[in-house]
Amino acid sequence: EVQLVESGGGLVQSGRSLRLSCTGSGYVFEDYAVTWFRQAPGKGLEWVGFIRTLGQGGTTEYAASVKGRFIISRDDFKNIAYVQMNSLKSEDTAVYYCSRFYCSSTSCYDPIQDFWGQGTLVTVSS
Amino acid sequence: QSALTQPASVSGSPGQSITISCTGTGSDIGANNYISWYQQHPGKAPKLMIFDVSNRPSVISNRFSGSKSGNTASLTISGLQAEDEADYYCLSYTVSSTLVLGSGTKVTVL
Repeated sequence: EVQLVESGGGLVQSGRSLRLSCTGSGYVFEDYAVTWFRQAPGKGLEWVGFIRTLGQGGTTEYAASVKGRFIISRDDFKNIAYVQMNSLKSEDTAVYYCSRFYCSSTSCYDPIQDFWGQGTLVTVSS
Repeated sequence: QSALTQPASVSGSPGQSITISCTGTGSDIGANNYISWYQQHPGKAPKLMIFDVSNRPSVISNRFSGSKSGNTASLTISGLQAEDEADYYCLSYTVSSTLVLGSGTKVTVL
C-alpha cells in the first residue's frame, strides 16, 4: 500500500527554522518526484515546490513565495524527502502536505499527484 | 505566477450536472495538457480526480469528466451526489517548469 507520511510540524517562532519530512513506503521511492503543498487555515491549497528524481538530476522548483527561504531535498536510501524552512513568517502558518508524481527515464513533465500524505501543521508565532 | 482562476462556489441539486472552470494563460493551461483536478473534503488530504485534462483514475466514478479549450480547463460532475460536496482544485504545469494551482471551488449539493 502506497503511503506518504509527513512529520516535523509544530510551533516555531517567527524568523526561526523548521525541517519537515515526508516518508514514502509501498512503492519505489526513487522513481517519483516529491511535491510539497500547503494550506493556510481556512484558505486554499498553495504549491510550495518539488524535487525531481535523482535520475532527472534531483533538481528543484519553488513557488515565488518561498524561493530563497525553503530548500527541498531527498534521501533515497531512507525514502524521505525534506523541506527545510528558514526565516519563517507568520504567513507560512499552514498544514503542509507532500505528494508524489512519477518521473520516467526521460522526463518529469507530467505532475500527476496520485498519492498524498495527511499533512502536518506548522504554526509560526510572532 | 498567479493562481489559476476558479469560481469561488458552484452549487447544484442531487442528480444535476455542474461544471467548474479553471482559467489560466498561454503559459500554463494553454501551453500543455498536464492539467489535473483534485477533490478535498474538510480536514482531509486532496484526492486525484482527473489527470492529463480528461483521464480518470480507475477508482474514480465516471460521473467526473474533464476537458480543455484554449486557456480554460473544466471539470464536470454529472449526477451530483451528496458525497461530491467538497472543494475542488485544478493544477497545471507551466512553461517555467513550475506548478500552479487554481484558487479552489466549493461545491455545494443543495
